[in-house]
Amino acid sequence: DTGVSQDPRHKITKRGQNVTFRCDPISEHNRLYWYRQTLGQGPEFLTYFQNEAQLEKSRLLSDRFSAERPKGSFSTLEIQRTEQGDSAMYLCASSFRDRALRDTFFGQGTRLTVV
Amino acid sequence: GQQLNQSPQSMFIQEGEDVSMNCTSSSIFNTWLWYKQDPGEGPVLLIALYKAGELTSNGRLTAQFGITRKDSFLNISASIPSDVGIYFCAGQLVGSYIPTFGRGTSLIVHP
Repeated sequence: DTGVSQDPRHKITKRGQNVTFRCDPISEHNRLYWYRQTLGQGPEFLTYFQNEAQLEKSRLLSDRFSAERPKGSFSTLEIQRTEQGDSAMYLCASSFRDRALRDTFFGQGTRLTVV
Repeated sequence: GQQLNQSPQSMFIQEGEDVSMNCTSSSIFNTWLWYKQDPGEGPVLLIALYKAGELTSNGRLTAQFGITRKDSFLNISASIPSDVGIYFCAGQLVGSYIPTFGRGTSLIVHP
């Protein structure tokens, strides 16, 4: 296991298009997090899953955003009708519940550019 | 939105110098974390702090959890060029499992 894997690493899309990102967490990790990071800012929490259950969503997660983790393993984040303001790095992280923060590992991120 | 004030925003230093950066909050945190992020990569955890007053080292890095539980600092001693990157503090509010991140300190080390 080489850590948290995100695909694609970069995505350029036209405004109004839908995009989907994938995250494969570390295999034994049951918690999975999505963050968004814009230039000059720290990561901002979007949502997290414990196994397949989506337990918390940030107010940043508008109705154009949807995340799934159907089998409690990989997760997808879809953005519908993209806007220029959606341009950001989307980071995925995973952890094992009982060790939470200290053992939360981030992926390399998906850089989204909306033109 | 962000609830952490991280300073300085950027630092330009000579190789071999010591570095200090800090985070403050108006809220009480029960965990403080320090991360480093290289360009195009995700953040990597450097140090985690769990108790007020705790002082923890990781090689040339030292971090402390403030006794008021509203602040933390990170020191880097004898900086080297590979220390270049953005350093983020993150705190976990009481009752939350989700860390809140600061805006980062960009460190540039001149050889």
